[in-house]
Parts: sequence; C-alpha cells; structure tokens
Amino acid sequence: EVQLVESGGRLVQPGGSLRLSCAASGFPFSAYPMDWVRQDPGKGLVWVSRITSDGVTTTYADFVKGRFTISRDNAKNTVYLQMSSLRVEDTAVYYCLRNDFGSPGSWGQGTLVTVSS
Amino acid sequence: DAVLTQSPLSLPVTLGQPASISCRSSQNLVHDDGNTYLNWFHQRPGQSPRRLIYKVSNRDSGVPDRFSGSGSGTDFTLKITRVEAEDVGVYYCMQGSHWLWTFGQGTKVEIK
Repeated sequence: EVQLVESGGRLVQPGGSLRLSCAASGFPFSAYPMDWVRQDPGKGLVWVSRITSDGVTTTYADFVKGRFTISRDNAKNTVYLQMSSLRVEDTAVYYCLRNDFGSPGSWGQGTLVTVSS
Repeated sequence: DAVLTQSPLSLPVTLGQPASISCRSSQNLVHDDGNTYLNWFHQRPGQSPRRLIYKVSNRDSGVPDRFSGSGSGTDFTLKITRVEAEDVGVYYCMQGSHWLWTFGQGTKVEIK
C-alpha cells in the first residue's frame, strides 16, 4: 500500500523558516517524481513544487520561487520542502503527492503550516 | 497556465438523484503524448483529496460505478448517476497535461 506521511508543519513567525518532510513507502520511491500542493484554509488547491525522480530538476510556482527549495533523499525515501522568508499567505495545509505522470493518485494526510505573529 | 473553471460551485442534490459538474479549461488539455490528463478528486471535510477519475474517464479502484467522467479538449464533466449520502464534500478537477498543474475552484456537493 502506498503511504505518504508529511511532517514538520507548525506555527512560525513571518520571515521564518521551516522544513517539511514526506516519508514514502509502499512503492519504488526513486522511480517517481514528487510534488507538493497546498490548500489555503477553507479554499482550493494550488500546486507548489516538483522534483524529478533523480532529484536533478526542480520546478516551482512563481509565488514560492526563490523562497522554497524542494529536495529528496532516495536512500531514505523522503522528499523535503525547505521554506524560508515565510509570509502570512503561505499559511496552508501542505500535501505531498506521488506524481503519477500527470494524474496524482496518492496523497499524504497533509501538514499544517501557520505563519502568524 | 491552464485555468480550470468549475460550475456550479455549489450543488444541492436530493438523495438518489443525478448530479453533474462541469470543468472548462482555458487551454487544450491534450498532452504531447496524446493523453489528456484531466482528473477528478473528492475531498471530505478534514480529509485529503481522493482521486476518483484519471485521464478523463478512468475510474480508480474502489470508486463506485455511479461516478463517470467524460469530455475532451477543453470541456469535461463529472456525473453521479444517483447521489448517496457519502458523496457529499468538495469535488475538484485538476489538469496534469501542462507542467504547471492547476485545479478547479471546487464544487461543494450537499444533500438538500
């Protein structure tokens, strides 16, 4: 069974930093690109970032470019999202997704990031 | 970016009656490989989204056959033949044909 377990979300002050982790199991992790998607409180879903299966290529939504960094450790079956210069508007539930080549079928339970003073 | 517009945004339905949700894209969703990566998700309060339909019309394992997806190009539809109580929640369309994935705004389905 595919499992994705996010962690690391918490309350952080504006301008602060946070690293989210997503531990994967139940599938050949190193064979899949991985993505992060976020959901603002009570609102819709927005794609945030992607990393290729080998970790070489990363892409970002414009609103996080230069502030967030995605990475992965295939030996640990884990993908990370390093978040810095956090803004109030980054408050959201962050989901880790297995990128099933355009049709993400596996999502984690999400981790809540709250940016507030 | 491919903007996805869902309608309606709110859908009160009677148990046992059909329901239909539209998803229109600002760009053609046919990928260079010939596939159309238009997917439908269902999200219950407090839960992660669950994929129901992938590549327009393929039902995921365990999804009841009362759910069906159709469409092509820029216009897509999710239909529920007979709504059951467990179908309440928010439905999202999502495109993975373009590198920047985008989601519709969501359609909230509730029982009248």
